[in-house]
Amino acid sequence: EAQVTQNPRYLITVTGKKLTVTCSQNMNHEYMSWYRQDPGLGLRQIYYSMNVEVTDKGDVPEGYKVSRKEKRNFPLILESPSPNQTSLYFCASSSDLLAKNIQYFGAGTRLSVL
Amino acid sequence: AQSVTQPDIHITVSEGASLELRCNYSYGATPYLFWYVQSPGQGLQLLLKYFSGDTLVQGIKGFEAEFKRSQSSFNLRKPSVHWSDAAEYFCAVGTLNRDDKIIFGKGTRLHILP
Repeated sequence: EAQVTQNPRYLITVTGKKLTVTCSQNMNHEYMSWYRQDPGLGLRQIYYSMNVEVTDKGDVPEGYKVSRKEKRNFPLILESPSPNQTSLYFCASSSDLLAKNIQYFGAGTRLSVL
Repeated sequence: AQSVTQPDIHITVSEGASLELRCNYSYGATPYLFWYVQSPGQGLQLLLKYFSGDTLVQGIKGFEAEFKRSQSSFNLRKPSVHWSDAAEYFCAVGTLNRDDKIIFGKGTRLHILP
């Protein structure tokens, strides 16, 4: 079954404690991205990757890092989380740059930073 | 770059009634338009898309949308809603320009009255 898998689904942490949210897709997609969803703000793109070792900033990259060492994985790293990063996070993938508009989403990771 | 507006934050309809969710976009050329649905606790799922051709597009779950260039709109419709349609709906606009990201509206939450 084609899917995008995020882990964990729920995470509570404290300010400053480094964390990683994993994302994996089994569709051999080239394009992957991370979004955060906040009430009244919709989805905002954090980072995206067009292929292995190719990443770029989205609209709200501050406080986040990503890596793309393998095609299937695109982890989101918060080196020093802060309360304003409390949000619902989604990973998504698309088959290629031209099809980047059709995205397959993971189920989401709800993060609370205390 | 493109932009998208969903004028209604919340919509409430009775089960069995018809539904129309509004979406307006701004883009100088022909856009690629999408509707996604987010059920509670889930990621976003593509309902339908418009790339070119017939301006009335059919999607999954009995939804359809009509592209009206003169009104810069891409409204989502369903003739008779079911309680399971209660969700948040996102309109999105994309392009084939590799430098443009897909842009999501802020969403419309649909409530269904029994």
